[in-house]
Amino acid sequence: DAMVIQNPRYQVTQFGKPVTLSCSQTLNHNVMYWYQQKSSQAPKLLFHYYDKDFNNEADTPDNFQSRRPNTSFCFLDIRSPGLGDAAMYLCATSSGTGGPYEQYFGPGTRLTVT
Amino acid sequence: GQNIDQPTEMTATEGAIVQINCTYQTSGFNGLFWYQQHAGEAPTFLSYNVLDGLEEKGRFSSFLSRSKGYSYLLLKELQMKDSASYLCALMDSNYQLIWGAGTKLIIKP
Repeated sequence: DAMVIQNPRYQVTQFGKPVTLSCSQTLNHNVMYWYQQKSSQAPKLLFHYYDKDFNNEADTPDNFQSRRPNTSFCFLDIRSPGLGDAAMYLCATSSGTGGPYEQYFGPGTRLTVT
Repeated sequence: GQNIDQPTEMTATEGAIVQINCTYQTSGFNGLFWYQQHAGEAPTFLSYNVLDGLEEKGRFSSFLSRSKGYSYLLLKELQMKDSASYLCALMDSNYQLIWGAGTKLIIKP
């Protein structure tokens, strides 16, 4: 089945220790998104890519970086995680932009910072 | 600016009907989505409305009134598995999704 895959599902890192979260998709979608979601809050868009065209949300902290080496893969790097970065990180894809394209989500990676 | 409001939590009984409301303010509008999110899981798509009126999909229906900045999700014949959060998301003039915080729906036997 075509899908969005995130690894790992649970990640524990130490305060200040860099961590990378990964996302892959078999849907062959052009657009990939990274969201941060804290408990009982709305998902917050961090970045999105249209193909390799990178779009950074204005309020995304510099501590967060992203890479998309090819259509299928996208990575979220947190350079120096703080306690406030503990959250669920959701990767999503859509087949395009400029239209009402449904977003397909991966299962998420729950990040704990100790 | 943009703003989305939905109730934080609702409780309903198995077999009953529940309506979850969403109100919004926006300068640009390209439709409204409803997603379901079970605890600890990713959101899954339920419905999309761009024109006024009711869209029905089995036990779930979604309604939109653009002039009132209002939408609702109607769930019929509630089942225990419908216990989840329901997120309203507005698609703005740039086709970006602006998410509500979600309504946690608790189903009681």
